[in-house]
Amino acid sequence: EPEVTQTPSHQVTQMGQEVILRCVPISNHLYFYWYRQILGQKVEFLVSFYNNEISEKSEIFDDQFSVERPDGSNFTLKIRSTKLEDSAMYFCASRPRRTSGGRTQYFGPGTRLTVL
Amino acid sequence: DAKTTQPPSMDCAEGRAANLPCNHSTISGNEYVYWYRQIHSQGPQYIIHGLKNNETNEMASLIITEDRKSSTLILPHATLRDTAVYYCIVRDNFQGAQKLVFGQGTRLTINP
Repeated sequence: EPEVTQTPSHQVTQMGQEVILRCVPISNHLYFYWYRQILGQKVEFLVSFYNNEISEKSEIFDDQFSVERPDGSNFTLKIRSTKLEDSAMYFCASRPRRTSGGRTQYFGPGTRLTVL
Repeated sequence: DAKTTQPPSMDCAEGRAANLPCNHSTISGNEYVYWYRQIHSQGPQYIIHGLKNNETNEMASLIITEDRKSSTLILPHATLRDTAVYYCIVRDNFQGAQKLVFGQGTRLTINP
């Protein structure tokens, strides 16, 4: 069964450094998402991406964040200058444009980002 | 999207049916009820969804009341691996990119 994959599984970085989190969505999916979950808190929506542009973003997704689909298979989240409070699990999700059963999002296993 | 209310925690014995309730009294006509679960810190896993009719798949059954103001997720024969946080999410499938809004969910513990 196709799955969303994410790399790396764990990323440790110093405050102020740039990080890029990578995701490979399910191959025929057209909508892509990033969510994050700070330890002990709820899963929070960051951004959705469709047709090579952002379709919605949350207040969390400020100028320090960017997303890109560089090569038709990968979907990346870049944080330009990491802060301590960016430490969290980051989940990528994807969904097809339309399915017979609705528009279900499927999640990857996540990347644990630790900012020191 | 409509707000949902779930109990913070539940326990169930292994092998028994686990029935997880969800209230969504402000649900509108276009909104689907989705269930996901999160095992430890893994990515949320899709379980099932429905609009009006009851639904069943290999993982679970979803019972939606006739007025659609509440629903119940049923895991028919719970195993220890079903211990997880279960999220009930109401979402309009016809507006925009349809982000998912997660609440606190129900922490289900399956006891041996």
